[in-house]
Amino acid sequence: QVTLKESGPALVKPTQTLILTCTFSGFSLSTSGMRVSWIRQPPGKALEWLARIDWNGAKFYSTSLKIRLSISKDTSKNQVVLTMTNMDPVDTATYYCAQMSWWDFETWGQGTLVTVSS
Amino acid sequence: QSALTQPASVSGSPGQSITISCTGTSSDVGGYNYVSWYQQRPGKAPKLMIYDVSHRPSGVSDRFSGSKSGNTASLTISGLQAEDEADYYCSSYTSSNTWVFGGGTKLTVL
Repeated sequence: QVTLKESGPALVKPTQTLILTCTFSGFSLSTSGMRVSWIRQPPGKALEWLARIDWNGAKFYSTSLKIRLSISKDTSKNQVVLTMTNMDPVDTATYYCAQMSWWDFETWGQGTLVTVSS
Repeated sequence: QSALTQPASVSGSPGQSITISCTGTSSDVGGYNYVSWYQQRPGKAPKLMIYDVSHRPSGVSDRFSGSKSGNTASLTISGLQAEDEADYYCSSYTSSNTWVFGGGTKLTVL
């Protein structure tokens, strides 16, 4: 059974850097074909894809947020980390990580709400 | 990358069928058979309902079906049930090696 859980600060101040961790079980990110993405959803709004990391270390980022994002993995800990710099109130959202089945988001974590406010 | 276009809301009575459209471009929906659909109930994480345009994951009711024509994909729910009331999002892989979601459609079961 695949499970994922996001963790990180619930509140960050504007201009700070956000670090979120996705801890998963039921699969290994060292297995060929495995991928994990981060997706966010502002309150009452639509989903937005942020970044993806593959089993082979390949990384892909949202075109509009690329300069602020960094994704990494720790295979031994079954974790994927997302870093987003220069946080702004418009970045207030629930952040999800999801295991990907090649081209879709097969299993999602429960999400973690991050509020950006001074 | 612009969001895919979905109707803001659709509604139907129990037992009826409804269809939700998802319109993109030749760089996403029209260019790849990598469209997926997600159901999201209030306060919950999205759930994969359809992948690769028309395939259902194990455990998803066969009342849910997907299709695509040109730059528009569609999700059809037949035999509408109260439990189907939720928000639905489409997603597509893009030529930029990124993913784009639709704006979401709120389904109301009357």
